[in-house]
Amino acid sequence: EDQVTQSPEALRLQEGESSSLNCSYTVSGLRGLFWYRQDPGKGPEFLFTLYSAGEEKEKERLKATLTKKESFLHITAPKPEDSATYLCAVQADAGNNRKLIWGLGTSLAVNP
Amino acid sequence: ETGVTQSPTHLIKTRGQQVTLRCSSQSGHNTVSWYQQALGQGPQFIFQYYREEENGRGNFPPRFSGLQFPNYSSELNVNALELDDSALYLCASMPGRSANEQFFGPGTRLTVL
Repeated sequence: EDQVTQSPEALRLQEGESSSLNCSYTVSGLRGLFWYRQDPGKGPEFLFTLYSAGEEKEKERLKATLTKKESFLHITAPKPEDSATYLCAVQADAGNNRKLIWGLGTSLAVNP
Repeated sequence: ETGVTQSPTHLIKTRGQQVTLRCSSQSGHNTVSWYQQALGQGPQFIFQYYREEENGRGNFPPRFSGLQFPNYSSELNVNALELDDSALYLCASMPGRSANEQFFGPGTRLTVL
């Protein structure tokens, strides 16, 4: 069964304290792995797409990496405005239906 | 460029009632997906519409139905509301069914009493 697991469930950091979030997946025919940021009561905001093992993408203080079994979202020197829930989703090969399978998210709190 | 919009923002219904949620896709996007997100959970795929036709469905009962219009806006209809239907309903649009990135609207918070 296709599955996405994120860890930790919650993470509290001091401003400037770098860390990583994990997304492990089991899926047949990975088409892509996506990272989204979600603020409370709002829709997810797209961050990155990764397609193949070894791929890396960066945006400001965030860097996403991908292996054959998991992805990491590295947060370097976080600021309080980085506080949010970070969601990982994978797109399996299901014909023309670009269905996303989501993890439960990691709730990140960055203290000033 | 206008992003994805949804209406209403919040909605309160009672058990057994029916509800219609609306979504306007981002300009140039012809594919819309609907998701249900319960509190503390990841989004769950309900269905996807591509050029006015259903293009895939998740594990939701038939009382969840949808439409897509010629301008690619979309509706999600839920009949015979149950307490467990209380959730944030998200609409996401894409420039084509082969596209990968999905762009989400702000969601509609539905509360069923």
